[in-house]
Amino acid sequence: AQTVTQSQPEMSVQEAETVTLSCTYDTSESDYYLFWYKQPPSRQMILVIRQEAYKQQNATENRFSVNFQKAAKSFSLKISDSQLGDAAMYFCACGGYNQGGKLIFGQGTELSVKP
Amino acid sequence: GAVVSQHPSRVICKSGTSVKIECRSLDFQATTMFWYRQFPKQSLMLMATSNEGSKATYEQGVEKDKFLINHASLTLSTLTVTSAHPEDSSFYICSARGGQGGFSNEQFFGPGTRLTVL
Repeated sequence: AQTVTQSQPEMSVQEAETVTLSCTYDTSESDYYLFWYKQPPSRQMILVIRQEAYKQQNATENRFSVNFQKAAKSFSLKISDSQLGDAAMYFCACGGYNQGGKLIFGQGTELSVKP
Repeated sequence: GAVVSQHPSRVICKSGTSVKIECRSLDFQATTMFWYRQFPKQSLMLMATSNEGSKATYEQGVEKDKFLINHASLTLSTLTVTSAHPEDSSFYICSARGGQGGFSNEQFFGPGTRLTVL
């Protein structure tokens, strides 16, 4: 079984500042992937960043980066130089290699960006 | 690329009627499609996984006779909510995964369908 926990229901950040969203997970799979998805008010799910668990190097995508701590089963998302358009729900997700592509999502963190 | 569409985007129906939602992968072949349900301010709850040409696999607690899923082709999956009731009102999202094998193929999400049952 897999579980994903996001302990911050809401976060706020000042425009141009940096914010970190937390995520912890638990899985019995030895091979798995981790994702951060963004869901803006339009409700379209958008992939922000992904991390293969076998890779030690933290993934980065422009202003978005992760801090992947495999032993601690932690996968936090850092957003640098926050922009107004970053305001959205952010979901952390985990999928096991042998789970047929299924993803388990965390509860979500609603991020607001203050101008 | 990797675009997934859903139709309709919104639907309002009377209690007791059935509603069909279509999910299409527009520019790739989707070997697997997933159906989620999302309540306001909540996470996505996986309802079922459908693989082309085979029966869908439903998550625990999801009534397969109420939520009929058909994945007849590599580009189309449908979710039919049968005898809909107000408690079925929700936001339904599909996603599609292509390629062969492994988990390197990410899920691409449709824009969702808002169902309101009166």
